[in-house]
Amino acid sequence: QKEVEQNSGPLSVPEGAIASLNCTYSDRGSQSFFWYRQYSGKSPELIMFIYSNGDKEDGRFTAQLNKASQYVSLLIRDSQPSDSATYLCAVRGAGGTSYGKLTFGQGTILTVHP
Amino acid sequence: DAGITQSPRHKVTETGTPVTLRCHQTENHRYMYWYRQDPGHGLRLIHYSYGVKDTDKGEVSDGYSVSRSKTEDFLLTLESATSSQTSVYFCAISGGPQGTGELFFGEGSRLTVL
Repeated sequence: QKEVEQNSGPLSVPEGAIASLNCTYSDRGSQSFFWYRQYSGKSPELIMFIYSNGDKEDGRFTAQLNKASQYVSLLIRDSQPSDSATYLCAVRGAGGTSYGKLTFGQGTILTVHP
Repeated sequence: DAGITQSPRHKVTETGTPVTLRCHQTENHRYMYWYRQDPGHGLRLIHYSYGVKDTDKGEVSDGYSVSRSKTEDFLLTLESATSSQTSVYFCAISGGPQGTGELFFGEGSRLTVL
């Protein structure tokens, strides 16, 4: 059983729409949750992180966390073609020794078409 | 951008040869990591370091060794490269003391083992 699961997609949305990316995790003790964006041939870049239940907003991006359901999502409002990329969900496990040791999902490919 | 430099960026080698990848950071961060990224597997942790000469194994450490003799340098060595080690290798550092363990990645090193 995969520890962090994402729908690989591809997810295709029209420009200006809301893109919704989902992620589930198996370790109930997980502490921190991260969303990365990765353009083809490039390295992952951090979009945002969340560690408390609820919503966290940063510009056009909103991360949502529901620890009871072991579910984290990323919403991208007013999607732009430049948002087309692979989005990686990552989870940090419980315990101090887990600092920085993130478990990644396989990523969801997002395509925003004009 | 996080000051992380990986070298070489591209390398083609033959089965059975030793290979060393270098990661250099200018951020003076304590924690450094080596991940590999493969289609269908996402990013997987190979080894990590939590200080000079302090290293530990990750999820896929077989066939790899690491060394960290200075804060700024973290080396990944494949003692005898195999075709299964063809991959893109990413070095990462964790956020600073106030961070929640988010990672910042280098540009990646693409290794092909023939």
